[in-house]
Amino acid sequence: GAGVSQSPSNKVTEKGKDVELRCDPISGHTALYWYRQRLGQGLEFLIYFQGNSAPDKSGLPSDRFSAERTGESVSTLTIQRTQQEDSAVYLCASSLRLAGGERAKNIQYFGAGTRLSVL
Amino acid sequence: KQEVTQIPAALSVPEGENLVLNCSFTDSAIYNLQWFRQDPGKGLTSLLLIQSSQREQTSGRLNASLDKSSGRSTLYIAASQPGDSATYLCAVESGGSNYKLTFGKGTLLTVNP
Repeated sequence: GAGVSQSPSNKVTEKGKDVELRCDPISGHTALYWYRQRLGQGLEFLIYFQGNSAPDKSGLPSDRFSAERTGESVSTLTIQRTQQEDSAVYLCASSLRLAGGERAKNIQYFGAGTRLSVL
Repeated sequence: KQEVTQIPAALSVPEGENLVLNCSFTDSAIYNLQWFRQDPGKGLTSLLLIQSSQREQTSGRLNASLDKSSGRSTLYIAASQPGDSATYLCAVESGGSNYKLTFGKGTLLTVNP
């Protein structure tokens, strides 16, 4: 597609339920990122995929959070046993993975986000 | 740990005014700095990317400067318009294996007709 697509755009769930958030990156972008934006806070990095691998999962806030990517394309962020503090906008971004001397030119392109509300 | 601060948190100006948004970061070892625009209910739109070796970038009425040694960047908006009303976010990529961006909390800009 032309841009990064996320679904659903809004999700309301009850505390304790599991949710899955989906991201479709820009075609050909090997790098994919998940961020979280809680009310009044800056964007918080969650996880980065290079291809289908996530070399660094340290940004995930707890073991209730997991993410996977398949076919070097679609990614799913899963939150188990949701809590009220998980309420936030979850943003996905993708980019070419420029390395070496080209890394400084790396632009991340963002989707519109999924607004998650945990009641 | 990289920290990014944006000042002011909110700004309201009359149409036509020139304005400056400020961003500071604590670790000067960055690859690049990006300015984004965020409209309500929408994702982030990349406005300008300044590579660490560059001093400024321009796009239309926007000009962003970077002083890496002092950990500062400014976004200058000339002849502001009501359509410029949005939240402006500053982010830096500090290296490491995860290519992550560290964001400030943003400046909410309102341009009044």
